[in-house]
Amino acid sequence: QSVLTQPPSVSGAPGQRVTISCTGSSSNIGAGYDVHWYQQLPGTAPKLLIHTNNIRPSGVPDRLSGSKSGTSASLAITGLQAEDEADYYCQSYDGSLSGWVFGGGTKLTVL
Amino acid sequence: QITLKESGPTLVKPTQTLTLTCTFSGFSLSTSGVGVGWIRQPPGKALEWLALIYWDGDKRYSPSLRSRLTITKDTSKNQVVLTMTNMDPADTATYYCAHLIATTSYFESWGQGTLVTVSS
Repeated sequence: QSVLTQPPSVSGAPGQRVTISCTGSSSNIGAGYDVHWYQQLPGTAPKLLIHTNNIRPSGVPDRLSGSKSGTSASLAITGLQAEDEADYYCQSYDGSLSGWVFGGGTKLTVL
Repeated sequence: QITLKESGPTLVKPTQTLTLTCTFSGFSLSTSGVGVGWIRQPPGKALEWLALIYWDGDKRYSPSLRSRLTITKDTSKNQVVLTMTNMDPADTATYYCAHLIATTSYFESWGQGTLVTVSS
């Protein structure tokens, strides 16, 4: 069982907006540690999508955005495209565990 | 450009020790603030952080696997080695190494991963 909780799946039609939540606790997200998001296409390694809560690395479209509040964070994707179909993982640091923690992953399906 | 690549056996027997090597380029593990970590992913399951080593030799391990893991570095060869003892079929997974900057907490670049199957 993952330390960070994500919905197993979300879906949306092309052009729509979807959000993926990531819920932690007072020892990770709630303690002020940053949240990061990765996209994993089938059969490939995870790719950094959003870091430090809401910063997009170069090349990541501005259709993707991140936010954090309290013990939770969210990834929003607007203008959904077929190429967005992938697994998405949130990640933070846990002070009690003294280590890096991931969410259970969310499979995004574009209808 | 930062690249990382994992290498090691694709099949190990239960109770054996797994040794994986991460060979990287585009950065030096002797540079202040740099780290290399290992993350694994069982088939169809989530990512799990295993271990990380910093440029200064500081090592961190997942509490649940600490007793089975050892991470080392060879700065001259640009390599990081992970050993995991007493392998079990539940350890079957794709193992990734990844680059991290110490002032942040995210894994900026990842290797392609290597699938390790534990079976007799």
